[in-house]
Amino acid sequence: DQQVKQNSPSLSVQEGRISILNCDYTNSMFDYFLWYKKYPAEGPTFLISISSIKDKNEDGRFTVFLNKSAKHLSLHIVPSQPGDSAVYFCAASEPGNQFYFGTGTSLTVIP
Amino acid sequence: EAGVVQSPRYKIIEKKQPVAFWCNPISGHNTLYWYRQNLGQGPELLIRYENEEAVDDSQLPKDRFSAERLKGVDSTLKIQPAELGDSAVYLCASSPWGGRNIYNEQFFGPGTRLTVL
Repeated sequence: DQQVKQNSPSLSVQEGRISILNCDYTNSMFDYFLWYKKYPAEGPTFLISISSIKDKNEDGRFTVFLNKSAKHLSLHIVPSQPGDSAVYFCAASEPGNQFYFGTGTSLTVIP
Repeated sequence: EAGVVQSPRYKIIEKKQPVAFWCNPISGHNTLYWYRQNLGQGPELLIRYENEEAVDDSQLPKDRFSAERLKGVDSTLKIQPAELGDSAVYLCASSPWGGRNIYNEQFFGPGTRLTVL
């Protein structure tokens, strides 16, 4: 059973606009969440994280929002750039436990 | 600093053949992970090591899969015999520390793409 879900397999955005990638989870014990970015033929690379004691974490153009009551998190990229085109995975974990990954969303930023 | 190294990058074998993957984690990283990523899916954990000890192998199909991490550094993942359904990308990742209540970013290698014919 998929505990972390990314329901949008793909997303296209114009350069300079906002990209919003969504992620839902089912396990209320999850308390740490990460976003990874993956280019073709490369392994995922860490992008940004958030713990459940926060509802927002910002790093430059990337902001992650966490809504614990809705078991939902989102990644905002503003402004989007062509180099942001990649597959984005969200992942979630309980304390000291493994990370569960979503199925990924392929973002295309159109110049 | 060198990243996680994996070899080979690609492997094509016939079903029922054995295959092995090798991973060299980032120097100093105690925790090592092997993941399998099927097409269109996210990575799924197969096994996690803290130093030499396999602390979570609950999702490793032990009838055909085995792994080892001798001396707490390099690791190998073996499949014997391979089946058609084993075709996937096998990712290795490492992090500085594991343990309970400690979260660490995982650094992934480029993966080994296995095709079983």
